[in-house]
Amino acid sequence: ETGVTQTPRHLVMGMTNKKSLKCEQHLGHNAMYWYKQSAKKPLELMFVYSLEERVENNSVPSRFSPECPNSSHLFLHLHTLQPEDSALYLCASSQDSTGRRYFGAGTRLSVL
Amino acid sequence: RKEVEQDPGPFNVPEGATVAFNCTYSNSASQSFFWYRQDCRKEPKLLMSVYSSGNEDGRFTAQLNRASQYISLLIRDSKLSDSATYLCVVSRGSTLGRLYFGRGTQLTVWP
Repeated sequence: ETGVTQTPRHLVMGMTNKKSLKCEQHLGHNAMYWYKQSAKKPLELMFVYSLEERVENNSVPSRFSPECPNSSHLFLHLHTLQPEDSALYLCASSQDSTGRRYFGAGTRLSVL
Repeated sequence: RKEVEQDPGPFNVPEGATVAFNCTYSNSASQSFFWYRQDCRKEPKLLMSVYSSGNEDGRFTAQLNRASQYISLLIRDSKLSDSATYLCVVSRGSTLGRLYFGRGTQLTVWP
């Protein structure tokens, strides 16, 4: 039912692994976002892509690497993560700057 | 100081009760205001925008006080299905991506 789909829904990885999170939006939106949601913390904006160009990188460590090959797809490549990176990673899209974000169901990541 | 402050709760109320959540924001340049709802282990979804004159959507009423930098959400006649975390969200304007989220207020409605 959601216009934004994320895979995988759950991911467990070791600190030396490399993995990628995938997001796809079927809404024809022009902007896509990665957010991080940790327990007892507000959603934190990580990256913004507008028309496939990264317009914001919110001081995220380089072990997180986004990729936006087209306006419908967004990836988050992960490598050498730390246990404190365990969180729910949410992808979102929006048509413009009106503020309404459509979120995917998220990937729950655990780093061991 | 945090951009958006909310009482995390939890609020535990019986069905049919009226419950109100408050939120304050720190930046007077904020222009747009929203309430999002997040069910347990699900993604946030827009509940309603908040307009300067106040607005209502069924059992939900949102109010904005720009002078006090204060936003509220009132839920009347609470239903079990209202149990969720309610996120106060503030935007400074047109810059893509710049939404500031509160931690959320947890509500449980019991039968």
